[in-house]
Amino acid sequence: SAVISQKPSRDICQRGTSLTIQCQVDSQVTMMFWYRQQPGQSLTLIATANQGSEATYESGFVIDKFPISRPNLTFSTLTVSNMSPEDSSIYLCSGGDSSYEQYFGPGTRLTVT
Amino acid sequence: GQQLNQSPQSMFIQEGEDVSMNCTSSSIFNTWLWYKQDPGEGPVLLIALYKAGELTSNGRLTAQFGITRKDSFLNISASIPSDVGIYFCAGRPNDYKLSFGAGTTVTVRA
Repeated sequence: SAVISQKPSRDICQRGTSLTIQCQVDSQVTMMFWYRQQPGQSLTLIATANQGSEATYESGFVIDKFPISRPNLTFSTLTVSNMSPEDSSIYLCSGGDSSYEQYFGPGTRLTVT
Repeated sequence: GQQLNQSPQSMFIQEGEDVSMNCTSSSIFNTWLWYKQDPGEGPVLLIALYKAGELTSNGRLTAQFGITRKDSFLNISASIPSDVGIYFCAGRPNDYKLSFGAGTTVTVRA
């Protein structure tokens, strides 16, 4: 299994600003992902973080709004840019091997005012 | 991603009761995973299933990968108060991305 940590655990941000969320895995993993979860809802995949190359975004999510970095096999960042209240959500990082288990971090609770 | 139908949406269970929840898909999946999410936490992996017909247990939890590869169920035996939470099924078709069900919210009556 993999243990995943995220920073910050929560934040309150002003409209128009940007927040970068960090995700650290305790072991090398093939795949890393970023999800968004609205309160009381299921998980929606934002993008797959690819090591050393541009992330692969899902429909409805774009790089200008959610730039992602993955410099190595244990670390990734997600930036929520030019935030609006609609970006208030829980952002979750996950990691694992492509065909097997996938583990999640504790999430970052973002409130945009 | 693929649409997963998870049911029931919520359940109230009596302590000591056995309960069951399930997920169905219109597509064939190669992997089924079951997660539990407590308030303020990320989802925690409970059970992973890789083969059609596979039946796997983790303590009081038992999950099965349906033989049609389009469904899975999770059983909780002898419910206890700490079973409260939201349970999500997740499936992987033929690529690396997971699709999630809408979740089953479990509340235990003491």
